[in-house]
Amino acid sequence: DAGVTQSPTHLIKTRGQQVTLRCSPKSGHDTVSWYQQALGQGPQFIFQYYEEEERQRGNFPDRFSGHQFPNYSSELNVNALLLGDSALYLCASSYGVQPQHFGDGTRLSIL
Amino acid sequence: GENVEQHPSTLSVQEGDSAVIKCTYSDSASNYFPWYKQELGKGPQLIIDIRSNVGEKKDQRIAVTLNKTAKHFSLHITETQPEDSAVYFCAASTLTGGGNKLTFGTGTQLKVEL
Repeated sequence: DAGVTQSPTHLIKTRGQQVTLRCSPKSGHDTVSWYQQALGQGPQFIFQYYEEEERQRGNFPDRFSGHQFPNYSSELNVNALLLGDSALYLCASSYGVQPQHFGDGTRLSIL
Repeated sequence: GENVEQHPSTLSVQEGDSAVIKCTYSDSASNYFPWYKQELGKGPQLIIDIRSNVGEKKDQRIAVTLNKTAKHFSLHITETQPEDSAVYFCAASTLTGGGNKLTFGTGTQLKVEL
C-alpha cells in the first residue's frame, strides 16, 4: 500500500518563475494538505483541499494556489517565486478526522 | 490563531535514559495533539497522538500526556535507543468538519548517545 508520494523530489528555479508541485495521497484518503517547512523550522500550513475545493487556508499570499483532482491527487502552484520561497514543501493526506500522513516532500531552491 | 511552543530545542541523552519534550498551546478550542518524528531527508512520521478527552496514552516506549487546564502536553520516550535520534515535532489542531490544519512547534533535535 503506497503512502503519500510527491514529485519532483528536488527542484531549482530562479526568481520570478513559477512552479508546480504534485502529490498523490495515501490510498483511501480524500483530503490533501500542503505545508511549507523552512530549514530548522516546523511545517507551516498553506492550505487544505477536500472535494476539489480549498477548505482551509493559512497565512500565505495569493501567489500560492492549488488544485485537487477527482482522483484526490493535488497540485501546489507558486507564482512569481521569491528567494524566501526556498523550502521543503510537504503534502499530507487524511480521511475525515483521521491523522494526517506526510510524504517526503519536494525540496525547492530559488536562485 | 493557534500558537504552539516547544522545548527544548535540542536534547542529548545517553542510550537507555528517558527523554521528555514539552509543548504548550494557546487555543483552548484545540482538541487533537499529534507528535511527529522527522529523520534527515524524510517527511514527518506520526508516532503517537492524543485527543482532548484522554489524559494519557502509551504505545510501547512512547507516551504522551495532556493537561487541558494548563494547555500543555508532553512526549515521553523511555529506554532510548540510537534509532530514536531525530527531530520531533508536536502539533495542535481543532478537529471539525471544516478542516483540520495542524499548527506545529519548532521542533526538538534529539540525540541518543552510545
